[in-house]
Order: sequence, then C-alpha cells, then structure tokens
Amino acid sequence: GEDVEQSLFLSVREGDSSVINCTYTDSSSTYLYWYKQEPGAGLQLLTYIFSNMDMKQDQRLTVLLNKKDKHLSLRIADTQTGDSAIYFCAENPGFQKLVFGTGTRLLVSP
Amino acid sequence: EAGVTQFPSHSVIEKGQTVTLRCDPISGHDNLYWYRRVMGKEIKFLLHFVKESKQDESGMPNNRFLAERTGGTYSTLKVQPAELEDSGVYFCASSQGMAGNTIYFGEGSWLTVV
Repeated sequence: GEDVEQSLFLSVREGDSSVINCTYTDSSSTYLYWYKQEPGAGLQLLTYIFSNMDMKQDQRLTVLLNKKDKHLSLRIADTQTGDSAIYFCAENPGFQKLVFGTGTRLLVSP
Repeated sequence: EAGVTQFPSHSVIEKGQTVTLRCDPISGHDNLYWYRRVMGKEIKFLLHFVKESKQDESGMPNNRFLAERTGGTYSTLKVQPAELEDSGVYFCASSQGMAGNTIYFGEGSWLTVV
C-alpha cells in the first residue's frame, strides 16, 4: 500500500540547518515532492526530485533521495524564522495523485 | 497568471446543512484534483478530473460528497448533508498534461461543521 511517514515536529535555532526526513513505500513513484504550508495559508510547492536523481539543490534547499531505502530528506540551510511552517513530503505513485505524509511542523526560534 | 483559486476561503455551517466549495484551476490545466486534510491528519486525495471527466474518484469518502466539473473549467464540491467529521481543509489543485507534471495547489477552503 501507499504510505508516507514523517516525524511530526522539529525545532531549530535561527541560522542552523534543518533536516526534515520522510520515508515512502511506493518504489514506482516517478517524482517526490516537498510542499510547505504556512499558518492559515495553502500548500506551496517548494521543490521536487525525479526518482532517478540522488540530489537536487535549489538555493538554501537540498533534497536527498535514497531510492534503495525509500528515504527522502529536505535540508534547509541557514534556517530563518520565516521558514517556520508545516512541511509535507509527497510521493506520486504514477496514478496522477499525490500521497502525502502527515507533515512536519518546523519551529524556528530566534 | 492567476494560480488555483478557491471559494469560500472559510465556511462555518451547522450539521445537516449543505456547503458547496468552488475551485478555479490554472487556465489551460486539464487536470483538476480535490484533496482534504481533516484535523491533525494527512492530506488525502479525493478525486481527479481530466477536463470534465472523473478519472479517479477512489478517495471520495461517501455519497454525501458530490464533485462536478461541467465544461471542464471550474469545479464544485458539494457536501450534503454535512457531518461534524467533514470539518477540515479542502484543497483544490491543478496540473497540465500527463502524470508527473507539477501539481499546483490553491489556498484551501477551511470548513467547520458545528
């Protein structure tokens, strides 16, 4: 079955790096995504990675994919208070629908 | 270019009443999706339209939910009659073309059933 798991909560200090982890189950997923939801707002696509890639870097964001272990991570360098939000990992098992994790609430303290 | 827009942004209704949520996808996007997140749980897929046709409605929870996309443009999701457990955020999303293309989400319609 399809299942995506994330830790529920992460707290860091401003300026530190944040690493949010995710495990998924469907090895047929072509793409894996990270979405961000700020308080009271919608889902914002942060970044995505093709399943045949190991790493993708986009400014302060680095996505690492370990396809063998079905493990995805999002690293945010120099975390700012504006990065405080819920981060959702999602897989696309090829059925034109996304399967989301429960979301990781990131709290950045000054 | 306008993103995915949803209306209303917030709605509070009594149990037993009817609510209709509307979604306008990004212009030109054939694929339209509905998802929802009930309190504290993961975001769950409800259904997928390709133009005006329902491609996959496997996530619709029961027959109190009816989704339409007449003309293949905007979509509505009606809940009738609403129950307490229907409270949550209903997200609409759209994408262009085939599987794997970027899926863009709206800001959600926050529904509270009291």
